Amino acid sequence: DTAVSQTPKYLVTQMGNDKSIKCEQNLGHDTMYWYKQDSKKFLKIMFSYNNKELIINETVPNRFSPKSPDKAHLNLHINSLELGDSAVYFCASSRGQGGNHSPLHFGNGTRLTVT
Amino acid sequence: GESVGLHLPTLSVQEGDNSIINCAYSNSASDYFIWYKQESGKGPQFIIDIRSNMDKRQGQRVTVLLNKTVKHLSLQIAATQPGDSAVYFCADAATITGNQFYFGTGTSLTVIP
Repeated sequence: DTAVSQTPKYLVTQMGNDKSIKCEQNLGHDTMYWYKQDSKKFLKIMFSYNNKELIINETVPNRFSPKSPDKAHLNLHINSLELGDSAVYFCASSRGQGGNHSPLHFGNGTRLTVT
Repeated sequence: GESVGLHLPTLSVQEGDNSIINCAYSNSASDYFIWYKQESGKGPQFIIDIRSNMDKRQGQRVTVLLNKTVKHLSLQIAATQPGDSAVYFCADAATITGNQFYFGTGTSLTVIP
């Protein structure tokens, strides 16, 4: 069973459209994240949720809106897609929060291509 | 802001040799460090972690070394195998900023059979 699963794996869409990426984890973790990986493989955190509450919200356009219906799910909705949004988006989860560090567990990514 | 960087973007090694991947971090408050392996088309996979109260930790064929004085982290892979070919990332986190990790830019390791 996949621990962190995200769908879809590939997403091709046109500029201006609205799309969502879904993420689910079955690890019982309290904290979930969205990371963006650009074409140079650089991983940058976008959002972090702990028990459905937003903890981290890096400088991300407000076209990106995360939603956490429960602590096992963290979805990412993107409005008015732009060419620069093309990237691989990774969902991750961890046990830790605050000073209780623990590793991130990543999904296999969603490759978003905006044309 | 935070910066975690790698000295070499690519590394090629012969199968059976040892590999060393280096990483520099800038936040002196960082107290937890992780190495990840990312294969093509997959998400980063946890390899090994180390806390700042240690300077060395060993796993299966891997060793992580931490030098807090110069803010340097390294990953040593013994007897490198073709399956080790991947992009390797270091990441660090500081207690004062919670479990927020900052990733380095990655090193692409190629193992030559």
